[in-house]
Amino acid sequence: DAKTTQPPSMDCAEGRAANLPCNHSTISGNEYVYWYRQIHSQGPQYIIHGLKNNETNEMASLIITEDRKSSTLILPHATLRDTAVYYCIVRGATSGTYKYIFGTGTRLKVLA
Amino acid sequence: DVKVTQSSRYLVKRTGEKVFLECVQDMDHENMFWYRQDPGLGLRLIYFSYDVKMKEKGDIPEGYSVSREKKERFSLILESASTNQTSMYLCASSFNVQRGDYNEQFFGPGTRLTVL
Repeated sequence: DAKTTQPPSMDCAEGRAANLPCNHSTISGNEYVYWYRQIHSQGPQYIIHGLKNNETNEMASLIITEDRKSSTLILPHATLRDTAVYYCIVRGATSGTYKYIFGTGTRLKVLA
Repeated sequence: DVKVTQSSRYLVKRTGEKVFLECVQDMDHENMFWYRQDPGLGLRLIYFSYDVKMKEKGDIPEGYSVSREKKERFSLILESASTNQTSMYLCASSFNVQRGDYNEQFFGPGTRLTVL
């Protein structure tokens, strides 16, 4: 599975869009990008995933560059409850190991 | 509502004790995972299982073993607990990847283990 690189921390004003970048320059053609977040004292929670196309759901949008070497998670209107550690993970859809490799993530702090 | 439960939220044990951490999921998932989480190191995979009685080592299996006798239950065993095993332990489960590209892992709330 490809490794990912994320900034260790970011701040965002409440109500503004939070844009969290992730580099995955060694990603291969069949590997998906997954985003999870972990709010303090809880287990990680799935946010969104994608392969090539941009994706949007009720929580966030995922923008994947054309060469797939990086992606951005967008929280369109950040709230205080979005303060969490955000993990970008790359995994293969047909990998026999079915496992994720978590990095250390980005600690997002939403400021009032 | 999907659910992964872990037997304890907090656990304190002494060095040398045998420790069992239990995880149960009610989603009929094939895959189950045990991670530990330490400050500055993120989540690291200890063991995982893709079927009953099947197990695979993750990235840091030393000092741990696992048991999966039933599909819904995955146990992590510390044969002889040591202070460097003080950590947050997280269990997760997911469907097999052959069910499609959507392969979300559902996590339990975690067990914070302290070994004295």
